[in-house]
Amino acid sequence: QVQLKESGPGLVQPSQTLSLTCTVSGFSLTSYHVHWVRQPPGKGLEWMGRIQNGGSTDYNSALKSRLSISRDTSKSQVFLKMNSLQTEDTAMYFCARSTMGMTTGVMDAWGQGASVTVSS
Amino acid sequence: DIVLTQSPALAVSLGQRATISCKTNQNVDYYGNSYMHWYQQKPGQQPKLLIYLASNLASGIPARFSGRGSGTDFTLTIDPVEADDTATYYCQQSRNLPNTFGAGTKLELK
Repeated sequence: QVQLKESGPGLVQPSQTLSLTCTVSGFSLTSYHVHWVRQPPGKGLEWMGRIQNGGSTDYNSALKSRLSISRDTSKSQVFLKMNSLQTEDTAMYFCARSTMGMTTGVMDAWGQGASVTVSS
Repeated sequence: DIVLTQSPALAVSLGQRATISCKTNQNVDYYGNSYMHWYQQKPGQQPKLLIYLASNLASGIPARFSGRGSGTDFTLTIDPVEADDTATYYCQQSRNLPNTFGAGTKLELK
């Protein structure tokens, strides 16, 4: 059964760094891409970036200077780190997977999300 | 970035047809495929893939859902609408990075 589960601190102080983990099961990180998508309260979805099956990364240019995505394939975990957090980074953070080829951007399985509040 | 435009809300009656539109400011077709996908999101839940590459039904999704379109104009149709379909529906393009989403269309029952 395919599963993704996000974990991390629910509260981060302004200007600090957010660290989230996406732990996956039921598939291999070397065969699928993993994306991070966030959703501010009451708003729409924003694609943040992805780590491809081969380990290379792509980022949304709006976040690129602050964002880093990495992984540990032995632990089936993908990591998101974003620095210089501000209140507008308060959101639900989702990880999702996609396959390669034509469906490389099709997110066919999602985690339940990790709620992050940026506040002092 | 490719911008996707959706109407904010749509109200339909049970058993009727709902048509949700998504327009892009750039062509999302490439070598015969339309890189447009649709998701359903209910309150407090993660998005769920419904349709991929404009018209392909995702696994486990009932045939009441269908998608069509090409180029810059796409639609998601639900026919007939059931009570469980009340949700927000998002279109997403993967023709160019960054992947971008529409703002969502909230489907409500009359």
